[in-house]
Amino acid sequence: DAKTTQPNSMESNEEEPVHLPCNHSTISGTDYIHWYRQLPSQGPEYVIHGLTSNVNNRMASLAIAEDRKSSTLILHRATLRDAAVYYCILGLDTGRRALTFGSGTRLQVQP
Amino acid sequence: NAGVTQTPKFQVLKTGQSMTLQCAQDMNHNSMYWYRQDPGMGLRLIYYSASEGTTDKGEVPNGYNVSRLNKREFSLRLESAAPSQTSVYFCASSSLGSNQPQHFGDGTRLSIL
Repeated sequence: DAKTTQPNSMESNEEEPVHLPCNHSTISGTDYIHWYRQLPSQGPEYVIHGLTSNVNNRMASLAIAEDRKSSTLILHRATLRDAAVYYCILGLDTGRRALTFGSGTRLQVQP
Repeated sequence: NAGVTQTPKFQVLKTGQSMTLQCAQDMNHNSMYWYRQDPGMGLRLIYYSASEGTTDKGEVPNGYNVSRLNKREFSLRLESAAPSQTSVYFCASSSLGSNQPQHFGDGTRLSIL
């Protein structure tokens, strides 16, 4: 299974952009890159996903390197509510279509 | 929008007791999942149901059984609870098709003494 590497923790200031990196050097050509986040005492929440091109939605942007060996989740203006653990996940288990979670990046947002 | 609803939210059991965790979704999704999350760790798949009438084991199925009662409901049963099953349990659902987002409930926090 392709694996991801994320920093354990990051800090940001409120209303500033946040760039959350993810390395996935063994990614296969068909693996989508998924991002979920988990706020304290809540279930994970879908953020964004993409295959090759950069993606934007109302929550965030996903920048994918040309060789696809890394990606960056971009929160354009961090708010206190964005403090969470962010998970970068590759593909889905074959057949199960389940998510394989690592330990993620804990984002702290300072007022 | 209710989304994915899990009951109960909290439960304390004694070793050897049994209980069923309930999950219901109102998004007409075909696929449903049960995950567990131990402190400080990511989620691990227990069982999943690709569609109504089918279930299959995930990464950590031992000690659990599941029932896909209908398209909306997917329950998880602990027949004889053990302290190692103390965890937070999350149910999720998704529509068919590759890479569809999964929608999660808020979890059931289960302690086994």
